[in-house]
Order: sequence, then C-alpha cells, then structure tokens
Amino acid sequence: DIVLTQSPDSLAVSLGARATINCKSSQTILYSTNNKNYLAWYQQKPGQPPKVLIYWASTRESGVPDRFSGGGSGRDFTLTISSLQAEDVAVYYCQQYYHTPWTFGQGTKVEI
Amino acid sequence: QLQLRESGPGLVKPSETLSLTCTVSGGSISSTDHYWAWIRQSPGKGLEWIGTMYYIGVTYYNPSLNSRVTMSVDTSKNQVSLKLGSVTATDTAVYFCATGTHDNGDYLHFASWGQGILVTVSS
Repeated sequence: DIVLTQSPDSLAVSLGARATINCKSSQTILYSTNNKNYLAWYQQKPGQPPKVLIYWASTRESGVPDRFSGGGSGRDFTLTISSLQAEDVAVYYCQQYYHTPWTFGQGTKVEI
Repeated sequence: QLQLRESGPGLVKPSETLSLTCTVSGGSISSTDHYWAWIRQSPGKGLEWIGTMYYIGVTYYNPSLNSRVTMSVDTSKNQVSLKLGSVTATDTAVYFCATGTHDNGDYLHFASWGQGILVTVSS
C-alpha cells in the first residue's frame, strides 16, 4: 500500500498568515506517461464530509478560493493557504489515487 | 450535480452483516463517466477506502477488508449498496458514499460525498 504521511499533525496559524501542510508518499505517485501526480487534497469541517480542494496535486476545484494552492511532485507535496481565514479552520487530508488501495494521509488540524 | 445519500441501520450486532445503501440523484448509476465508492472514517484509523464500483460489475475492494466486502447496484432504484460481513467493534465508523470521474481508465479523486452515516457495532 502507498502510505501518505502528513506533517505537522496540527498547526496553529494567525488570521491572515500562511499555513503550509506537507504530504509525503512512500512511493512516487507521478505517472510518467501523462506527467500527472495522482494526489488530491480535502478539507473536512466538523460534522461534514470531506470536500475536495485540489486534484492532480495542483489543480484547484471549481469554487475553491485561490488562497488555497497545491504543489509538489513525485513523493513530496504541499497544500498552502496563503492568508488564513476563520472559515479555514478544519482538518486537511491528502489522498492518492495512483494505485489501489486508494489511501489518505492521517490528517492535519488547522486552528487559529 | 450528483447528490448522494446514505441510509441503513445505525446499530449492528457483532458478527452480523452491515448493510448500507447510497441513493444517487442528479445522474445515472449506470453512467460510464463515474465510479461509486464507499469510504469510512473512525477515530482510530482515519479515512479508509473500502471499495469502488465502476459501471456494472467492475469492483475493487480494499485488501484489508476484501473477504468481507460486497458492493452491488440496483439500477431501477439508482442505488449502490455495501455489505460488510462478520463485523466487530473496530468496524464502528461513519460510512460515506462518494463518487468521482472515470476517465479513460483512470479513477480520479472523490469529487462528491454523501453526508455519511454513523454505524455502531455493539450488542
């Protein structure tokens, strides 16, 4: 199985400041044939299902604010919130869809 | 916009079979553009992919659950179902139905999720 390890487990950031979450894969999730990284980022607020923010490692889902950005390639990825807003308090997960079983990182809790 | 809604018993006894249904609206369960998945979330294990069904009959299951899981579809009701056998307390979790795009052999990210249903395994 592909193991995704997120860091840190939790993060306290001031309003308006930058938040960066890391996701490291146990093996590459870059498919050389199409040069795409099979990684998504989700945001989950209490009592709600996860909501996709980013896919293909860096493509923002429609309707997602542009303060959210994804980067990285191969095995190392980041999710950046450029200017944290109160409504961004949530748990964030990375997920790979390169190989079954599809797997998630353990989550990073972002607080103010 | 596809909408998903999970339903089923919230309490299952140990050793019995957990049975859940996901009703899909806004699109056809028979679509070749989408796949259907079950994912669960428990405090101890985070988010865990259970299985995926594409079109009718193509299924992938998590090997950690493989021998206990069955997914099926009812096209007349536009529903996809999950059965998990021989449950124990460790199967207590919120179970989500989700969908994503199937594109030229690729199963993409989970684009839409149901609200989830809490299933507790207890006698």
